[in-house]
Amino acid sequence: AQSVTQLDSHVSVSEGTPVLLRCNYSSSYSPSLFWYVQHPNKGLQLLLKYTSAATLVKGINGFEAEFKKSETSFHLTKPSAHMSDAAEYFCVVKYGGATNKLIFGTGTLLAVQP
Amino acid sequence: DTGVSQDPRHKITKRGQNVTFRCDPISEHNRLYWYRQTLGQGPEFLTYFQNEAQLEKSRLLSDRFSAERPKGSFSTLEIQRTEQGDSAMYLCASSWTEERGYTFGSGTRLTVV
Repeated sequence: AQSVTQLDSHVSVSEGTPVLLRCNYSSSYSPSLFWYVQHPNKGLQLLLKYTSAATLVKGINGFEAEFKKSETSFHLTKPSAHMSDAAEYFCVVKYGGATNKLIFGTGTLLAVQP
Repeated sequence: DTGVSQDPRHKITKRGQNVTFRCDPISEHNRLYWYRQTLGQGPEFLTYFQNEAQLEKSRLLSDRFSAERPKGSFSTLEIQRTEQGDSAMYLCASSWTEERGYTFGSGTRLTVV
């Protein structure tokens, strides 16, 4: 079945330290991959997307992600966390074929400690 | 461009009542999607429109749910005979092409009491 797995439901980091949010997807020909962030009481905001161009994707607010086909992974990283990064992060996959639906992971809640 | 607008932001209804939500997508976007998000979960796909045609529906969309997009502009999602299990955030998204990504609205939070 087509799915996406976010390996950590909660991640806590100190301000100024690196962030790593992990995501694995089920293998499929040419998936499109996205990371979205959701701040409390706000809508989902697109951080970055991979649609078969460069495997290292840079997004907004210093985030980036690397598409690794051999590992079926699309982990999100940031070199230095900021307090404003505290939010819920969703890894999202769109598989090719006839479907137009996005498949969301269950989310990772990022806490940033001062 | 004011983004994707959803109305109302919050709706509290009694079990058994009908409710209708509205979504106004970004004006040049021809694709429109509805998702449902329950507490602690990621959004789940409900349905997809390209212009006015409803091209895909999830099995989650029971016969109590209906969605329309007349004239390919705004869309409505109606839930008939609401149940407590319908309590959730209903999200609308629109897009022009997949490469440009999807823009989500802030959602309508439904509480069925």
